[in-house]
Parts: sequence; C-alpha cells; structure tokens
Amino acid sequence: SQQGEEDPQALSIQEGENATMNCSYKTSINNLQWYRQNSGRGLVHLILIRSNEREKHSGRLRVTLDTSKKSSSLLITASRAADTASYFCATPPPTGANSKLTFGKGITLSVRP
Amino acid sequence: DGGITQSPKYLFRKEGQNVTLSCEQNLNHDAMYWYRQDPGQGLRLIYYSQIVNDFQKGDIAEGYSVSREKKESFPLTVTSAQKNPTAFYLCASRNPGPSRINEKLFFGSGTQLSVL
Repeated sequence: SQQGEEDPQALSIQEGENATMNCSYKTSINNLQWYRQNSGRGLVHLILIRSNEREKHSGRLRVTLDTSKKSSSLLITASRAADTASYFCATPPPTGANSKLTFGKGITLSVRP
Repeated sequence: DGGITQSPKYLFRKEGQNVTLSCEQNLNHDAMYWYRQDPGQGLRLIYYSQIVNDFQKGDIAEGYSVSREKKESFPLTVTSAQKNPTAFYLCASRNPGPSRINEKLFFGSGTQLSVL
C-alpha cells in the first residue's frame, strides 16, 4: 500500500517562481526523505528530515514536517529550468529499524524558462 | 568514482525468456534493493538484501529472483513467470550505519526492460 502521497501530481511554474510540493503519509515515521528523478534516470536523494525536526534547509530547498498532520512539504525557491524533474517523498515503515523505504507516486515539476 | 552501475541501459525480452539485470556497487554498502517503476507511478519494491547471502521479498516479488553472493553485486532475474515485465528497473544501495536508523538510498541509472 502507498505510504506517501504527493500533491499536486503535476506542477508548472515560471523560472524564478517558488515551487511547493506536499506529501502526506499514513503511519508514524522516524524520518521522511525527498528524492528527485530526472527523466529516464535514477533517483537522487535531496534531503532527510527526522521526526523530531520541524524544518530543514539545504540550499534552495526547504522541507517542513508536521507529524500531527502526517504531512511534509518541499519548497524550491527561485526555481530554474534545471529543476524540471519528478519529485518523490519516501518513508520507512513505522516499526523496527529495517530497510524498506516506501515511495509516493511523485510530482512532475516543469519550470518554464 | 564511487557509485552504483546498472547494465544494460536497455533490455529486450522475448516471450518465455529469462533475463538478468546487473547491479554493481563500489560504495561498500551492506544493503541493496531492486525497485520497479511503471510510467507515472511510484517505485515498488521487488527484493532487498541487507547482507551477503541473505535477501527478502518485497511487495511484488512474484516472477523475479535475486542472488547476493558478493557484497558489491545484486543481480535481478526477470523470469518468464513475470507476465508484465515492461518497466524501468532501479537498483539502490544503503549503508545502514551504526545506529540502524534508516538513511538515504543511492540509486543506479536504471534499466528499461521491454517485451518484444
């Protein structure tokens, strides 16, 4: 079953604008991760936020986590055409220290030059 | 350069044929994974291995098989029992770390498998 669900499914913005993507999940987590995938390529890890963190920054990326609402958001500021890609949130299972990350269906971001 | 290498980039399977996708990593990671990605879909876990000579089924293991004889290698065989094999296959690895808390995955560049 899908643990993480992103929205919107697709997002089209103008270069320079900010892009906000959301992820909701169903069970308790100890961390949530965001990945990026360029067309026809593998995924690249962007950022990890732990359950005891509320906000985290990495360059132009800002991630928030609200465990009471079981949701996370990824903000890309001052977007560039090169940010065009699919973005996925991923969560580990709620119990145990095992290895299985579950991915959402992803958000397709298009940044128009 | 350290990383994960998947080969081939494109693979074609004939009816009734088994095909093997290669995944090699030089990151010295213990854990390795195979995911399947269908167009517009998320990743679904096929098999994973947390240590050499051990592996577990993921959510969609039917029609697939794996082996983990060496730490750096985790090949995936798509058997003839897999009736809908056309998809993008992604291999990943992870270093669990001393705290055993889940950390990030490192992915290969994928193999596109198509049926002739």
